[in-house]
Amino acid sequence: DVVMTQTPPSLSVAIGQSVSISCKSSQSLVASDKNTYLNWLLQSPGRSPKRLIYQVSKLDSGVPDRFSGSGSEKDFTLKISRVEAEDLGVYYCLQGTHLPWTFGGGTKLELK
Amino acid sequence: EVQLVESGGGLVQPGRSMKLSCAASGFTFSNYGMAWVRQAPTKGLEWVATISYDGSSTYYRDSVKGRFTISRDNAKSTLYLQMNSLRSEDTATYYCTKLPFDYWGQGVMVTVSS
Repeated sequence: DVVMTQTPPSLSVAIGQSVSISCKSSQSLVASDKNTYLNWLLQSPGRSPKRLIYQVSKLDSGVPDRFSGSGSEKDFTLKISRVEAEDLGVYYCLQGTHLPWTFGGGTKLELK
Repeated sequence: EVQLVESGGGLVQPGRSMKLSCAASGFTFSNYGMAWVRQAPTKGLEWVATISYDGSSTYYRDSVKGRFTISRDNAKSTLYLQMNSLRSEDTATYYCTKLPFDYWGQGVMVTVSS
């Protein structure tokens, strides 16, 4: 199984601060069709997960452009510029290239 | 508006069975693969099973293979998860999700305990 290692496990931030979350996979996530199926999800407190970014860097509709995704092969980053209160929760990376699909362990974003 | 509404959860004894349903609306259900993802209390997310748009292909994580069956009824726009021989480690909130993970249901809690 592909292991997704997400760091840090938690982040304490002030509103307006920028943060980055890292996700490293144990295998390349480039699929046979040349796409890279790396997603970023946010689970706000008491809510279902919500996809923010797919295929490394494509923002879902309605997701603020304060969010950005980057990376390739086995090394990926989610950056949040100017954190707002609504951004708090647990962020997960998810690889959809290799079965079984696997999630990172999560990064809890909290207010400082 | 896409909606996914799970039902069928609750408390069940170890070794018994339970069937979850996920009613979909707001999109052409028969065009999309679907999946179940679970989250044990205070833990992270774990993919459980996936089914292709027409039900011809299914995939499972090893720990549920032979015990869980994912299926769908495209005429009813409904996804199912039949869970047999339930174990305490299956205790979790189960989410249905439209592939590729762009929409999620509210989740349904399954508690396996005597």
